[in-house]
Amino acid sequence: DSGVTQTPKHLITATGQRVTLRCSPRSGDLSVYWYQQSLDQGLQFLIHYYNGEERAKGNILERFSAQQFPDLHSELNLSSLELGDSALYFCASSPPPRVSYGYTFGSGTRLTVV
Amino acid sequence: DQQVKQNSPSLSVQEGRISILNCDYTNSMFDYFLWYKKYPAEGPTFLISISSIKDKNEDGRFTVFLNKSAKHLSLHIVPSQPGDSAVYFCAASARRSGGYQKVTFGTGTKLQVIP
Repeated sequence: DSGVTQTPKHLITATGQRVTLRCSPRSGDLSVYWYQQSLDQGLQFLIHYYNGEERAKGNILERFSAQQFPDLHSELNLSSLELGDSALYFCASSPPPRVSYGYTFGSGTRLTVV
Repeated sequence: DQQVKQNSPSLSVQEGRISILNCDYTNSMFDYFLWYKKYPAEGPTFLISISSIKDKNEDGRFTVFLNKSAKHLSLHIVPSQPGDSAVYFCAASARRSGGYQKVTFGTGTKLQVIP
């Protein structure tokens, strides 16, 4: 157990639908990062939150949004889903800046859009 | 633009031999490099890292080498064990304003260690 919890582990939904992926960071970590891993692709950075504030955006589609709540858990919302959105979505957390460069990843949510 | 490249999608090595995984990067602002290991159905786990001020870092069977002039790093696993079979991601980090790190990952190399 890495200490980063992602739910659900698996999700199957139809095109056009909306889903919410949840992430609870490791205790003490203030940063949450979301990554997407499609088939045969690397980890594509989506978005970074630090202590409730958005810090950076990567290749995140406008149909996707995220937020980090006061208790530091984060949710990634995916809407108007398309077949190409099928992927593994990972959340990672890290301690405050200037402390460590290491990320701790959750076990991911496998999203299948049919 | 793929700033961190792992050109070998897969690698097979005999148990007991050396595994060498390679990674190239293009962004000269990267100042910290990491390797992550990923088993199926699990998230990536941190393996070993190296700062840009060093050219070698060793941790047990794992050694990372950094060649800044060539913008190249490699991970050596000696001796390789069947349990090392996994996907290995190379990653590079650059400081952003405020000290926040931005980590860019490569596409991964799937290592198979054959008993």
